[in-house]
Amino acid sequence: QKEVEQNSGPLSVPEGAIASLNCTYSDRGSQSFFWYRQYSGKSPELIMFIYSNGDKEDGRFTAQLNKASQYVSLLIRDSQPSDSATYLCAVNLADSSYKLIFGSGTRLLVRP
Amino acid sequence: GAGVSQSPSNKVTEKGKDVELRCDPISGHTALYWYRQSLGQGLEFLIYFQGNSAPDKSGLPSDRFSAERTGGSVSTLTIQRTQQEDSAVYLCASSLEAELEQYFGPGTRLTVT
Repeated sequence: QKEVEQNSGPLSVPEGAIASLNCTYSDRGSQSFFWYRQYSGKSPELIMFIYSNGDKEDGRFTAQLNKASQYVSLLIRDSQPSDSATYLCAVNLADSSYKLIFGSGTRLLVRP
Repeated sequence: GAGVSQSPSNKVTEKGKDVELRCDPISGHTALYWYRQSLGQGLEFLIYFQGNSAPDKSGLPSDRFSAERTGGSVSTLTIQRTQQEDSAVYLCASSLEAELEQYFGPGTRLTVT
């Protein structure tokens, strides 16, 4: 059973702080990694994807991938109350490139 | 441009009735996915369409579930003889090709009473 694990949270950070969200995965052959943001009652919105080891930055967001340790993380700098949402990590399956396995998500709460 | 659209946004049905959910992917996207999300849960893969290839139906939970994609664009997910455990949000996503970033529609919230 291929799995993607996330701490359910809530992760509570003050406004302006760095929020660090983590995700581990079991399929060593996975190649593609995605972070989705989901506001309550809304559908997931793609915010970052990363395919290579290392860091990828986009505005206030940085995705970090470590394939050897099988973890991927999302850093949100200068967190805003509008960042409060559930963040879903998704990983493709090595034996079925189009199938994504989603974690259950980490709820982030940014306190004003 | 227009994103993925789904209809209806909400559907309430009685147990035992059939329902049909519709998805219109982003124009030009050849890959289309259906997922199900139960309250407080992650996304469960249901079915995948890619161009004219045979769909991957491996995630469909029972033979009451079926889906088709006509003309390589619009897709419908049909649930026959609905059960209360079918209550969930059904999400459709599309991508340019397999392996690439998927973009989700707003979902259909299905409630079976």
